[in-house]
Amino acid sequence: DIQMTQSPSSVSASVGDRVTISCRASQDIGSWLAWYQQKPGRAPNVLISAASTLQSGVPSRFSGSGSGTDFTLTISSLQPEDFATYYCQQTDSFPPTFGQGTKVEIK
Amino acid sequence: QVTLRESGPALVKPTQTLTLTCTFSGFSLTTTGMCVSWIRQPPGKALEWLARIDWDDDRYYNTSLKTRLTISKDTSKNQVVLTMTNMEPVDTATYYCARTVTRTSDYWGQGALVTVSS
Repeated sequence: DIQMTQSPSSVSASVGDRVTISCRASQDIGSWLAWYQQKPGRAPNVLISAASTLQSGVPSRFSGSGSGTDFTLTISSLQPEDFATYYCQQTDSFPPTFGQGTKVEIK
Repeated sequence: QVTLRESGPALVKPTQTLTLTCTFSGFSLTTTGMCVSWIRQPPGKALEWLARIDWDDDRYYNTSLKTRLTISKDTSKNQVVLTMTNMEPVDTATYYCARTVTRTSDYWGQGALVTVSS
């Protein structure tokens, strides 16, 4: 199985900050990577697919980049509603595996 | 409007078989490219992908759990069923079903918490 490693595991940030989350795959996955946001007690919500394609309705402050084994989710200006846990998922091969999550907390 | 809802027992005993049903609307599993996945999340832990069934009845399973999992669909009822045998306390989790299109799970159910305890 492909292992997905996210860093950091948590980050403290203030409203308006730029936040970057990294995700590394244990082997080349091309651009087959999705990012999800999950708030406490809620189901995950997809933000980005195919490494950089913003899903409909997702604010433009979210962006994704990368290919191969290294990927990044960037929140350009953190908003109060962005405090949540973020997961990457590779969808290149079965089973599609998730990273361990990155919690974005209020500083 | 796409919706999914998980249903099943909230409590199962160790060694029992869990049966969860995902009832969905707003799309059809007979449409080319449509798939439904199951994902779970133990309390306070990360997401874990379990299984997927496709419009053409292809089925895929988590590597370490595949001997315990079975996924099936009833297109006439718009339902997908997941069974997991030999449940253990470590299987305690919220179980989600999600529509999956072009490998991305774009709509999720609210989740069903299943506790495994005697």
